[in-house]
Amino acid sequence: NAGVTQTPKFQVLKTGQSMTLQCAQDMNHNSMYWYRQDPGMGLRLIYYSASEGTTDKGEVPNGYNVSRLNKREFSLRLESAAPSQTSVYFCASSISPGVTEAFFGQGTRLTVV
Amino acid sequence: GQQLNQSPQSMFIQEGEDVSMNCTSSSIFNTWLWYKQDPGEGPVLLIALYKAGELTSNGRLTAQFGITRKDSFLNISASIPSDVGIYFCAAYNTGNQFYFGTGTSLTVIP
Repeated sequence: NAGVTQTPKFQVLKTGQSMTLQCAQDMNHNSMYWYRQDPGMGLRLIYYSASEGTTDKGEVPNGYNVSRLNKREFSLRLESAAPSQTSVYFCASSISPGVTEAFFGQGTRLTVV
Repeated sequence: GQQLNQSPQSMFIQEGEDVSMNCTSSSIFNTWLWYKQDPGEGPVLLIALYKAGELTSNGRLTAQFGITRKDSFLNISASIPSDVGIYFCAAYNTGNQFYFGTGTSLTVIP
């Protein structure tokens, strides 16, 4: 069972470069989320999509954009990467907005130099 | 943003010992969750709690949803080496967002 799949697993960017993190889920979930994880900070919500066609900002949206391409896919874009965006990024999905547990991908480790 | 205060930050225990960790908030939540994260992996759900006062077990793990709805506790009994990892609490409120605690890093010494 694939569950939530993120690509790439690792990425190194130079300051100012752009890139898109991809996420796909095969569980027919309505809601999808992007988090970043930093040491001592836990997981912080960047953006979420409660259902196909909607996206909303989370706690730390600055410097990011998202696209809910269809029900399965939710991408995160960094237009101009900064060293402060060095982090581990996790995509997650849930059946419906927040009322049930979220399932996570394996993460993307991003380093911006 | 809303914050979940999780403690302790880290624990070093002997195999066979019991473990307790907790999570508190200044806000009320309707759902509390506990996740475990192994190195290089995403968090995996351990226990979900949906009612204030609820006590739920999953094998050697027991979690409680605090009666005030502002806290939750996780206990692990008779720890084993594979319990090593980072444990996160998470909570849900209206607005479709999960909030996560800062994590408790557990090391089990054989």
